Amino acid sequence: GAVVSQHPSWVICKSGTSVKIECRSLDFQATTMFWYRQFPKQSLMLMATSNEGSKATYEQGVEKDKFLINHASLTLSTLTVTSAHPEDSSFYICSARRGSGRSTYEQYFGPGTRLTVT
Amino acid sequence: AQSVAQPEDQVNVAEGNPLTVKCTYSVSGNPYLFWYVQYPNRGLQFLLKYITGDNLVKGSYGFEAEFNKSQTSFHLKKPSALVSDSALYFCAVRAYSGNTGKLIFGQGTTLQVKP
Repeated sequence: GAVVSQHPSWVICKSGTSVKIECRSLDFQATTMFWYRQFPKQSLMLMATSNEGSKATYEQGVEKDKFLINHASLTLSTLTVTSAHPEDSSFYICSARRGSGRSTYEQYFGPGTRLTVT
Repeated sequence: AQSVAQPEDQVNVAEGNPLTVKCTYSVSGNPYLFWYVQYPNRGLQFLLKYITGDNLVKGSYGFEAEFNKSQTSFHLKKPSALVSDSALYFCAVRAYSGNTGKLIFGQGTTLQVKP
């Protein structure tokens, strides 16, 4: 149980276009979802935290208008990279957590999406 | 500020030998600590966690970790390494802002197990 999927697994897009990445919790309801960005051989950088039905909370330095996050249901969150540029090329990983508050501990991670902007 | 440090970029060990991947943390309040493993171009896989209780935590694939409060450490260990253990390992601590917790990751340690 506790499987998180991402789609697509990799995408190539042209500079200036937008691309949407989906994150789904397949067998549980995810009250909270997280989006991370990872550069080669580096750690995961938290971009934003989203709770179902409310606006995402972005980390400092992350552009809200560039990285649009929607958490419309308890099993789906989307990240849209708008007007993508080559520097947005990265590995994007989503994560989902059941419940909320201090009684929930584990985050389940998706397999990641490799974005390449040409 | 809450943080996690993994002091070694890479750990090399021969197959069959014990391995240790180090992690230290800084957090206010009781720490919730985690270890994850990442294989190339994949997401993170959960290995184990410490929330409370016994300081020695056993996890997946024969890994274990020891919580040491006085040294603020949570080192990952395995008695006998396998070549297939070669991967990138992340230590993480759960940080709270209000009632919302988020994982803070260390910089990662590459484990290389040689046959």
